[in-house]
Amino acid sequence: SQTIHQWPATLVQPVGSPLSLECTVEGTSNPNLYWYRQAAGRGLQLLFYSVGIGQISSEVPQNLSASRPQDRQFILSSKKLLLSDSGFYLCAWEISGRAYEQYFGPGTRLTVT
Amino acid sequence: ILNVEQSPQSLHVQEGDSTNFTCSFPSSNFYALHWYRWETAKSPEALFVMTLNGDEKKKGRISATLNTKEGYSYLYIKGSQPEDSATYLCAPYSSNTGKLIFGQGTTLQVKP
Repeated sequence: SQTIHQWPATLVQPVGSPLSLECTVEGTSNPNLYWYRQAAGRGLQLLFYSVGIGQISSEVPQNLSASRPQDRQFILSSKKLLLSDSGFYLCAWEISGRAYEQYFGPGTRLTVT
Repeated sequence: ILNVEQSPQSLHVQEGDSTNFTCSFPSSNFYALHWYRWETAKSPEALFVMTLNGDEKKKGRISATLNTKEGYSYLYIKGSQPEDSATYLCAPYSSNTGKLIFGQGTTLQVKP
């Protein structure tokens, strides 16, 4: 069966510090991968998605970047965090070609102080 | 841009009450709609995937209906229990966007 992992589970970082969140998927090959964020009081916002290694699409201009160095690994990064980057970050995967069934990881709660 | 609206934004009910929420979405280029249940500090859990106009899905005390022509879906919970407390997200998928677009969710609080 497929499993999706995210770490860390919680993170408190000062403004201006770098960020690296990691997501890995097990039990499937060539998944489509997604990064979402839920800011306080808001819905889920799609940040990035990837259909393959090295292929990243960005949904909104922002302080963040994403990379996919391996088939089942998706990384969310920032060089300098802003207060507005605080939120709950979710990674999700879907079977390529079945784009309406997404499965979510446990999430990372990021607080920027 | 696919505009997805969920109402109400939050709901407080007593244990045993039945409740329902609405998800509205543009009906053009509709392909599928997903309902998720999201408990605090956990990842969203898929409840239903619905594709056909008139679809009705049921899982225990929770059921959902879909009207693709007018662009809405209802989620019903019969006899709410405290463990039903969560945020319920709907996410339509359109062939236009090629992605799920999430509504802001309805947060349900069931008091014992």
